Amino acid sequence: DADVTQTPRNRITKTGKRIMLECSQTKGHDRMYWYRQDPGLGLRLIYYSFDVKDINKGEISDGYSVSRQAQAKFSLSLESAIPNQTALYFCATSPSGDLYNEQFFGPGTRLTVL
Amino acid sequence: LAKTTQPISMDSYEGQEVNITCSHNNIATNDYITWYQQFPSQGPRFIIQGYKTKVTNEVASLFIPADRKSSTLSLPRVSLSDTAVYYCLVGPLWKLVFGTGTRLLVSP
Repeated sequence: DADVTQTPRNRITKTGKRIMLECSQTKGHDRMYWYRQDPGLGLRLIYYSFDVKDINKGEISDGYSVSRQAQAKFSLSLESAIPNQTALYFCATSPSGDLYNEQFFGPGTRLTVL
Repeated sequence: LAKTTQPISMDSYEGQEVNITCSHNNIATNDYITWYQQFPSQGPRFIIQGYKTKVTNEVASLFIPADRKSSTLSLPRVSLSDTAVYYCLVGPLWKLVFGTGTRLLVSP
């Protein structure tokens, strides 16, 4: 979905390097999420943000940090990358409110840590 | 959060109706049931969501019995392009928990 973009789409890095994955959205949604997906498994939530001033840890936040620079931008950082962080990373957005919460996913970033 | 159980894989042929059942015995009162579809190397895509009874949209139907302990996603007349992984998610609307999903393979 072009409304949610992720950069880079592919990245190869070395152990110990700091890396940032970026997510931008034009949907005007307040809520943004970062997930990772390992081969053959479902997505796991890393961090989520309900608005610019609200950041929450998800299921697997250790080794990651995030920054919500604006309503439209949500970045994920790996402070010191390690090989088991090799995965497919997805950003998602959703509107606020309790009645409807379809999450819209970006195309993903394939990260390889050597 | 409610745990879901769904078949690991299913096979079908073009033109058939496919029903994927998800078990969620511990569903809470405020939980919704949501289904997503994922193609290889793409982000999941929302299919349908419901709370109780039956919901239908242009691509699928969702059947939820009165006790809400299970749900069935129905895909009418599948095509080869419906080959994908289908996830059943149950929980508060703001926090989706993905399991391993059901791999549906549609053959000619």
